[in-house]
Amino acid sequence: GAGVSQTPSNKVTEKGKYVELRCDPISGHTALYWYRQSLGQGPEFLIYFQGTGAADDSGLPNDRFFAVRPEGSVSTLKIQRTERGDSAVYLCASSWERNTEAFFGQGTRLTVV
Amino acid sequence: GDSVTQMEGPVTLSEEAFLTINCTYTATGYPSLFWYVQYPGEGLQLLLKATKADDKGSNKGFEATYRKETTSFHLEKGSVQVSDSAVYFCALSLIQGAQKLVFGQGTRLTINP
Repeated sequence: GAGVSQTPSNKVTEKGKYVELRCDPISGHTALYWYRQSLGQGPEFLIYFQGTGAADDSGLPNDRFFAVRPEGSVSTLKIQRTERGDSAVYLCASSWERNTEAFFGQGTRLTVV
Repeated sequence: GDSVTQMEGPVTLSEEAFLTINCTYTATGYPSLFWYVQYPGEGLQLLLKATKADDKGSNKGFEATYRKETTSFHLEKGSVQVSDSAVYFCALSLIQGAQKLVFGQGTRLTINP
């Protein structure tokens, strides 16, 4: 079956622009997570959803970052007024319920120039 | 804050060598501990986990034991193969039933034939 799908796989944008990153979780998975991985570092937690609601958004670095999951399936991570420091791989993961293994997508590599 | 420290890489070994990748953690509570692996061109995958002290996680010949007294979760394998070449991440979660993970910086492992 299909795994977690993230699109686009690569995104290059100019400083100050707005970007949207999409995550399609495994069908039926109720929990969805976003992480950010900078070069040479481990992933850092951004936000997680249980169903449609954000259960914990404590990892979002500032108010330029926002994520939605309106129907409890696909999620979009939105970044406004991008900065060069936002350049990283953004990872999405999903799981059936809260107490199970999360499956990761391959990530979207965002480059802000 | 909560953190994970991993042995710095890269690590290069010959096939059939013994592997240890050190991992120690700092946590305010009583975490679950994980090892994730990222093979070239693939997403992060859960390798093994342990949820309480003295538990041993194991998978694909890899093992790690949750040592509360030394706050460690070292990854070991008795005889590595070329196919084990990957980046390995140690991680913890303090949220019962959620994959809100704190990752180490990763250790790149290369196995030569």
